[in-house]
Amino acid sequence: SYVLTQPPSVSVAPGQTARITCGGNNIGSKSVHWYQQKPGQAPVLVVYDDSDRPSGIPERFSGSNSGNTATLTISRVEAGDEADYYCQVWDSSSDPIFGGGTKLTVL
Amino acid sequence: QVQLQESGPGLVKPSETLSLTCTVSGGSISSYYWSWIRQPPGKGLEWIGYIYYSGSTNYNPSLKSRVTISVDTSKNQFSLKLSSVTAADTAVYYCARGVTYYYDSSGGRSIYFDYWGQGTLVTVSS
Repeated sequence: SYVLTQPPSVSVAPGQTARITCGGNNIGSKSVHWYQQKPGQAPVLVVYDDSDRPSGIPERFSGSNSGNTATLTISRVEAGDEADYYCQVWDSSSDPIFGGGTKLTVL
Repeated sequence: QVQLQESGPGLVKPSETLSLTCTVSGGSISSYYWSWIRQPPGKGLEWIGYIYYSGSTNYNPSLKSRVTISVDTSKNQFSLKLSSVTAADTAVYYCARGVTYYYDSSGGRSIYFDYWGQGTLVTVSS
């Protein structure tokens, strides 16, 4: 089955840019979605279809996808962005697949 | 605003069947793929399965032999049954609404989850 690989952790200082990657075989041919999960809360969709933002999600959140890597970029990082982030695709068997998650720490 | 709410026992004995219900409010259960996703303590998200409002289902291959998802459109609810549970099934269980679409001209299809319930912790223990 299809595997999505995320770094376990990413650290960034406030005001800087965080980039969280999601690796997969030819992931550029798929549509990638990203979720933010804060402790004790349900996941929240922050980017869908590689780079679209749901209503209410700040423009600081953006996404890209090419080749074997999709990337979630968070600009001007704030303390409130500290959370776990998960990428997700739908593989050829019509099964949703999640990456292992990345813990974003704001220094 | 669509809202989802999980309900069911928080404690299940080993070898028994875990049963949860998700009630959808603020919108119709018609259309969309209604899904169950779980998260063991301290671990990542695992998709369990989904049901289309018409009743067609798809399950995670690793759980398929133990999972049944059903829908009751008259009550705007869908349900999860997971049989023969063990301690490894201890997790927070989320229900979520899945949106599917075609993203390219060659028929590439995808799904994302735009609304989630708050989650309910189910512990498997005697």
